[in-house]
Amino acid sequence: AQSVTQPDIHITVSEGASLELRCNYSYGATPYLFWYVQSPGQGLQLLLKYFSGDTLVQGIKGFEAEFKRSQSSFNLRKPSVHWSDAAEYFCAVDVSGNTGKLIFGQGTTLQVKP
Amino acid sequence: DTGVSQNPRHKITKRGQNVTFRCDPISEHNRLYWYRQTLGQGPEFLTYFQNEAQLEKSRLLSDRFSAERPKGSFSTLEIQRTEQGDSAMYLCASSPGRASSGNTIYFGEGSWLTVV
Repeated sequence: AQSVTQPDIHITVSEGASLELRCNYSYGATPYLFWYVQSPGQGLQLLLKYFSGDTLVQGIKGFEAEFKRSQSSFNLRKPSVHWSDAAEYFCAVDVSGNTGKLIFGQGTTLQVKP
Repeated sequence: DTGVSQNPRHKITKRGQNVTFRCDPISEHNRLYWYRQTLGQGPEFLTYFQNEAQLEKSRLLSDRFSAERPKGSFSTLEIQRTEQGDSAMYLCASSPGRASSGNTIYFGEGSWLTVV
């Protein structure tokens, strides 16, 4: 069955430190991959997406993600975290041929220490 | 581009009452989605429309739930005879549905439902 795993439920980093959030997926075909961010009580904001082509994709707010087919991973990175990045991050996979039916991971909560 | 708009943002209702949520998608987006998110979980797909046609419904969508998208514009999600287990955030999303350029899904701010 298709699934998305975010192994880290909660991560704490110091402001200015680098960040990597992990995402692994289980899906047989070429995936369409997304990262979204959610602030408390709010909807989801798209950070970046991968459909095809260059496996390193750039997003908003200084985030990037790398698709690694051999590892079935799509990890999110940021070189220097800001306090405003504290939020919940969701990795998602479109499992039905680009229709928009997404399967989400459980999310990773990012806390930023001053 | 005003984004996906949902209302009401919050709704508290007594068990057994009916509630309705409205979603206005991004203009000219022909696909519209409903997702449900409970505390501590990622969103779960409920249903989606291509224009006015409802193309898929999740098994999560019991017969107490009904979604419509008349004229292919806004959509409503109605929950009849609400139960405490229906308490969640209901997220609406839309997308242009263009496979050639990637079908990017944009979410609204969500509608919180609390059933007491």
